[in-house]
Amino acid sequence: SQKIEQNSEALNIQEGKTATLTCNYTNYSPAYLQWYRQDPGRGPVFLLLIRENEKEKRKERLKVTFDTTLKQSLFHITASQPADSATYLCAPLGEGSGGSYIPTFGRGTSLIVHP
Amino acid sequence: DTGVSQDPRHKITKRGQNVTFRCDPISEHNRLYWYRQTLGQGPEFLTYFQNEAQLEKSRLLSDRFSAERPKGSFSTLEIQRTEQGDSAMYLCASSRIGQGGAEAFFGQGTRLTVV
Repeated sequence: SQKIEQNSEALNIQEGKTATLTCNYTNYSPAYLQWYRQDPGRGPVFLLLIRENEKEKRKERLKVTFDTTLKQSLFHITASQPADSATYLCAPLGEGSGGSYIPTFGRGTSLIVHP
Repeated sequence: DTGVSQDPRHKITKRGQNVTFRCDPISEHNRLYWYRQTLGQGPEFLTYFQNEAQLEKSRLLSDRFSAERPKGSFSTLEIQRTEQGDSAMYLCASSRIGQGGAEAFFGQGTRLTVV
C-alpha cells in the first residue's frame, strides 16, 4: 500500500538558518507533490506544488526538490524566522481511480524556529 | 480565511448520538474533500465529490459514516452512533478540477469530542 514518511521528530533550528524537511514515499509514482503548512487548530494551507518533470521549485524563501528516482522530496526554508514555526505536510498526488489525484498526506514534521 | 467554511467549529456529543457537519466550499470549485485528523497525524482522506457525484467512498471509516453533496454545492458529513474513537478534527477542502495537482483550500475544521 502507499506510504508517505515524514520525520516524526520535531526539527529545532535557530533563526536565520535553513530548515530542511524530508518527505519519502513508497509504492506509487505521484505526478505531483504538494507542500502545506498547518498551524495548531487550523486547516492546512497550500504552499507549493512541484511536478514530476520538475527537479526544483522556488517561491520566496521556500525551495522544494522532487527526486522521482529516490522517491523523495525535500522542502527548504532559508533565513528561517520564528513565524515559520508550524507543522509542514507533504502530499504526493497520484492518478487514482478515474484520474482522481487526491491529496494524500504524510503525518507532517513540526518545525520550531528559536529566536 | 480560505473561503471554505465549516460548521460547527466544535461539537461535543454523547456516545451513541448522531452528528452532522456542514462544509461550504469555494463556489467555483468542483471538488470537495473530507478528511479526518487526529493529534500528531496528518489529515486522513475519507471521501470526495466531483460536483454532486461521490467518486470515492471506500475510505470512509465504517458504515456509520456517510456524506452527501446535494446539487454540487455544500456538503454534509454524518456520523451515526458515535464512539469515543470518532473524536478528531474533521476537515473539509475544495479545489478546481481540470488543473493537475490543483491546490486544496481547507476550512478551519470541526473538532468533535465524543464523551
